[in-house]
Amino acid sequence: AQSVTQLDSQVPVFEEAPVELRCNYSSSVSVYLFWYVQYPNQGLQLLLKYLSGSTLVESINGFEAEFNKSQTSFHLRKPSVHISDTAEYFCAVTEEGGYNKLIFGAGTRLAVHP
Amino acid sequence: NAGVMQNPRHLVRRRGQEARLRCSPMKGHSHVYWYRQLPEEGLKFMVYLQKENIIDESGMPKERFSAEFPKEGPSILRIQQVVRGDSAAYFCASSPRTGGGTDTQYFGPGTRLTVL
Repeated sequence: AQSVTQLDSQVPVFEEAPVELRCNYSSSVSVYLFWYVQYPNQGLQLLLKYLSGSTLVESINGFEAEFNKSQTSFHLRKPSVHISDTAEYFCAVTEEGGYNKLIFGAGTRLAVHP
Repeated sequence: NAGVMQNPRHLVRRRGQEARLRCSPMKGHSHVYWYRQLPEEGLKFMVYLQKENIIDESGMPKERFSAEFPKEGPSILRIQQVVRGDSAAYFCASSPRTGGGTDTQYFGPGTRLTVL
């Protein structure tokens, strides 16, 4: 079975500051890793995913995440945040070769202040 | 291309009533997933369906909950005899294929169920 731990339930940060949202996973099999973002009263949108290859993956809006197999982590980072990045961020995994079932962490609420 | 559609967006039921949640996947998608988000928690997988088949229902409560994805029409998540603990946001997602765990799932806006 897989599990995902997001170590911070809330992260307050000032605009233009850097941010890191932490994610660790546990699994007895190989997994794929995802970050989803949820804006208030909306569904989830895929931010980025790691399937294979380069361990550093980037999104179109400046976020990046690095897969670290030895530490079983997939932390999300952005060097300079905007007010519009305020949202809930979910880390998730699927089982390699499995049915695409997403196992989510509890989420991290990012609050960007002016 | 319209996204995943869910209706109703908000649903209020009294204890003991039935709740019926509908999900229309993106055009061309034949795989549907249902997730439940309890207050202050992450999403929990409930069930995975393909057209006319339930593939994985390991996250469904054993009683009162059922799901279907008929050949024609939307996927339905049905909750019979609702209780207050069923109050949550229910999200549907779709993908074009199973993809062995690699496919992106596209999420609908959710149905927020409130049980009085």
